[in-house]
Amino acid sequence: DAGVIQSPRHEVTEMGQEVTLRCKPISGHDYLFWYRQTMMRGLELLIYFNNNVPIDDSGMPEDRFSAKMPNASFSTLKIQPSEPRDSAVYFCASSTASVLYYNEQFFGPGTRLTVL
Amino acid sequence: GNSVTQMEGPVTLSEEAFLTINCTYTATGYPSLFWYVQYPGEGLQLLLKATKADDKGSNKGFEATYRKETTSFHLEKGSVQVSDSAVYFCALKDNAGNMLTFGGGTRLMVKP
Repeated sequence: DAGVIQSPRHEVTEMGQEVTLRCKPISGHDYLFWYRQTMMRGLELLIYFNNNVPIDDSGMPEDRFSAKMPNASFSTLKIQPSEPRDSAVYFCASSTASVLYYNEQFFGPGTRLTVL
Repeated sequence: GNSVTQMEGPVTLSEEAFLTINCTYTATGYPSLFWYVQYPGEGLQLLLKATKADDKGSNKGFEATYRKETTSFHLEKGSVQVSDSAVYFCALKDNAGNMLTFGGGTRLMVKP
């Protein structure tokens, strides 16, 4: 398996533009997570899905952020309009529930977003 | 709620030195505990895990023991290498769901 795939790897945009980040989870995984990583705030969970349904979006910073998972193999995180303070590395991760106690999360390589 | 506290970095060591990165947690019940590692320019990777008290997770020479009495999961390695330079995250997952709670991360720099 190729692992979690994210695109683009780098995105530079101007303030006010719409940004769409994409994620393909590992095949067969039924949980998908979006995280944001910054120097100031560390690693923050934004939202996660189970079987394509959003379960907890309490980490989404504001209405400018939205996430969708139209099917089991694709998710998007959209920022509209973007602001300089949105500059960060955005990670997608996936996992699967199992009979075991723990569910390892597999992370993608991240998208480094810079908003000018 | 759940929380994880790690020692602040950066931690700078010479090659072959002994490493300890402290991690303590707050959670109800019996969470599972993890250490993730993030190499420069990459996503996080699971390094080791422990699912119950007194379990010892180990991988690549790293070890951590789940200590419920002290609510700790300290990461140790007997002899670090330059290639161990990375950011290390302690995390927990409680029994209620699938979310991980991460600590703030500790940057390790190993000098030759």
